[in-house]
Amino acid sequence: ETGVTQTPRHLVMGMTNKKSLKCEQHLGHNAMYWYKQSAKKPLELMFVYNFKEQTENNSVPSRFSPECPNSSHLFLHLHTLQPEDSALYLCASSQASGVQETQYFGPGTRLLVL
Amino acid sequence: TQLLEQSPQFLSIQEGENLTVYCNSSSVFSSLQWYRQEPGEGPVLLVTVVTGGEVKKLKRLTFQFGDARKDSSLHITAAQPGDTGLYLCAGVDGGSNYKLTFGKGTLLTVNP
Repeated sequence: ETGVTQTPRHLVMGMTNKKSLKCEQHLGHNAMYWYKQSAKKPLELMFVYNFKEQTENNSVPSRFSPECPNSSHLFLHLHTLQPEDSALYLCASSQASGVQETQYFGPGTRLLVL
Repeated sequence: TQLLEQSPQFLSIQEGENLTVYCNSSSVFSSLQWYRQEPGEGPVLLVTVVTGGEVKKLKRLTFQFGDARKDSSLHITAAQPGDTGLYLCAGVDGGSNYKLTFGKGTLLTVNP
């Protein structure tokens, strides 16, 4: 248990569906991240939020829409996804301090797009 | 674009054996991190190495950062089934405290 929870843990959706992934951190951190982990590819950083402000969008398609209502919660809204978007989506948090930060990862949401 | 190459990609060994996993890059990183990820879980940080030539030990795990800060190795002595998992290295971008470049990982299986 790392203090970062993600729901749902598994999700199957059609290409026309709209769904949302939720992440919550109980560590008092002020930075939150979305990563994508696909088979045979390195972990890819998607979005970074620092003090609820988006500071990084790593050329992610617009069918992925993040939302950070407060420093403890992070959402990833999904719509009209493609089968190649099937992957493990990981959330992480850290304490932005200006020096080396440690990121704490949640267990991930395993997404399958049909 | 910074890339990290990990080798081997897969490793299956018997309990009690020693092993080494490598993480190599043509880029210099300000520091390098090693994570272990177990099935159904997210990566968990094992160690951060910062200084070129640095060696850190965590029980049976020994981590080394190359002198030029471009490569790293993880050596496990007398592997146990509990060491089974995906080992990921991640380089920290010198211009950012949070931007991690991950390798694809080494999937280790330790058989009893």
